[in-house]
Amino acid sequence: QSALPQPRSVSGSPGQSVTISCTGTSTDIGANNFVSWYQQRPGKAPKLLIFDVYKRASGVPARLSGSKSDNTASLTISGLQAEDEADYYCSAFAGTHVVFGGGTKLTVL
Amino acid sequence: EEQLVESGGTLVQPGGSLRLSCVASEFSLSHYWMRWVRQAPGKGLEGVANIKQDGSEKYHVDSVKGRFYISRDNDKNSLFLQMDNLRVDDTAVYYCVRDRNYFGSGRMDVWGPGTTVTVSS
Repeated sequence: QSALPQPRSVSGSPGQSVTISCTGTSTDIGANNFVSWYQQRPGKAPKLLIFDVYKRASGVPARLSGSKSDNTASLTISGLQAEDEADYYCSAFAGTHVVFGGGTKLTVL
Repeated sequence: EEQLVESGGTLVQPGGSLRLSCVASEFSLSHYWMRWVRQAPGKGLEGVANIKQDGSEKYHVDSVKGRFYISRDNDKNSLFLQMDNLRVDDTAVYYCVRDRNYFGSGRMDVWGPGTTVTVSS
């Protein structure tokens, strides 16, 4: 199955907010509320940030939030910090398997 | 600290075979759906295979069906991926991943550091 479309890159200045979108279909994002978001730094394994659309994983700050509307999920990062610079991936449950987004590189200017 | 550690990745020729292993520590693998996720150099994440707590249900992505086989040994707290007829495009870092959701819906909360598989002549 093809990767879910995400913007290749987004950027923002410290203190600003950015939103990363993840576009799916009625068979994945639109089918249930099992959308997750992951952060990956270079050379490291991904880290769970958000699960079940909007629930934050342990230790994840409240300035990260998730949402969903129809077949599109979004991750918003408020109060950007230099440490937020990384790659971000969405994932969605498609019944028997998960499908990942193509990934978005966040640059903090 | 709950951890997963993969092993078995190496350089192999096209058409060759490898068996990846993953051992869990500080938690019992038997309670969780488990997954293998891979990442080709400079590319995104791809779910390769997943297996139910008792091994009764398995899923393999179309690109590896008939070549890769996921299995588990809960007594040894281990997960495996048998990889046969390897192709150049199987080159990737392979991650062993725990799915925290009881139904395996993709809450992937523990990841191993990954093991690198390189398929090249």
